[in-house]
Amino acid sequence: SQELEQSPQSLIVQEGKNLTINCTSSKTLYGLYWYKQKYGEGLIFLMMLQKGGEEKSHEKITAKLDEKKQQSSLHITASQPSHAGIYLCGADDRGSTLGRLYFGRGTQLTVWP
Amino acid sequence: DTAVSQTPKYLVTQMGNDKSIKCEQNLGHDTMYWYKQDSKKFLKIMFSYNNKELIINETVPNRFSPKSPDKAHLNLHINSLELGDSAVYFCASKTRQETQYFGPGTRLLVL
Repeated sequence: SQELEQSPQSLIVQEGKNLTINCTSSKTLYGLYWYKQKYGEGLIFLMMLQKGGEEKSHEKITAKLDEKKQQSSLHITASQPSHAGIYLCGADDRGSTLGRLYFGRGTQLTVWP
Repeated sequence: DTAVSQTPKYLVTQMGNDKSIKCEQNLGHDTMYWYKQDSKKFLKIMFSYNNKELIINETVPNRFSPKSPDKAHLNLHINSLELGDSAVYFCASKTRQETQYFGPGTRLLVL
């Protein structure tokens, strides 16, 4: 099965600072998904990356997938308290259309004003 | 307009009881999933149904039985609840080649 390592496990930053969360896979990633989870809520889809070297942005969040498709990073520019939550990376198992996702253990982000 | 909904949101029950969690999606998706998130926030797949047929069944005790009455619904029934079943259970759905959309979760506490 796919194994995903996320780092750091937790992150505390001051509002306005930039930050990066990493997700490393033990196998080639056929699809890499980033989700955000707020306390007591469900998972909110952020971005999906499939191609080596691909980069996507949404508002102040940018995600990249490296050329070898084994590592992804999520970068937040000028963080705000609304960015706080748990960020989860999920990987598609062997590109199967069954869509079984394996998840990392998450990164807990705290942004203080 | 709720895309993926789950009921109940919270469930507190005694050990040994039987309980059900319901999931409904109004997205017209073909495939639905149940995931379990433990106390350390680790999210792991349990089951997947495609067009009412079971296609993924991870190593889950047979006390857990999913049921899909139609394409829009995937319910999870749990028999003889144990303390270790306490977790957050998420339902998700997707069509082929599309992203999985998750429900808000059901927080189960077994006492």
